[in-house]
Amino acid sequence: GENVEQHPSTLSVQEGDSAVIKCTYSDSASNYFPWYKQELGKGPQLIIDIRSNVGEKKDQRIAVTLNKTAKHFSLHITETQPEDSAVYFCAASYSGAGSYQLTFGKGTKLSVIP
Amino acid sequence: ETGVTQSPTHLIKTRGQQVTLRCSSQSGHNTVSWYQQALGQGPQFIFQYYREEENGRGNFPPRFSGLQFPNYSSELNVNALELDDSALYLCASSLSAGGLGYTFGSGTRLTVV
Repeated sequence: GENVEQHPSTLSVQEGDSAVIKCTYSDSASNYFPWYKQELGKGPQLIIDIRSNVGEKKDQRIAVTLNKTAKHFSLHITETQPEDSAVYFCAASYSGAGSYQLTFGKGTKLSVIP
Repeated sequence: ETGVTQSPTHLIKTRGQQVTLRCSSQSGHNTVSWYQQALGQGPQFIFQYYREEENGRGNFPPRFSGLQFPNYSSELNVNALELDDSALYLCASSLSAGGLGYTFGSGTRLTVV
């Protein structure tokens, strides 16, 4: 089955700096890679996702890159703000017939210091 | 458009008891998945229901079971509770399988004592 490794487990940055979180996956059949933000007491919220036919995707201050050959993908947050503080999860799945699950990384706790 | 709602929000049960958790999916979503999130870990897939049938299951024992109803709401049942079942249980609804377009609820925090 799929295995997703996520690093670092904790990350502290100064407000305004950039934050980068990296993930690797094991199953070359995986073709869908979402990123979730989870705040205390809440469920994960999708913030950005990328499919395997795209190398990079950007949405305002958030961007995701995917390297299929190396089987790794990364989340980049620029101009961080205190409200970006949360736990971030990467995930991978095969989005096709017979698919049914997301495999998550263990999460990165991001702290943005004002 | 309403999101995914789960009930109850918190629950304390004794080892050996049974528990039922409930989930109302987002309007129009026909697929419901359940995940278990232990403290400090990422969510782990339990199973998925599509049009009232289980069509995928993770590495969880048979004492974890579920139902999906004609209105696409869902239940997760856990029998013979163990201490390790203490976790946040998340429900996610979507229009398709494979995690595309998941909307998660806020979860039910289950504590087994």
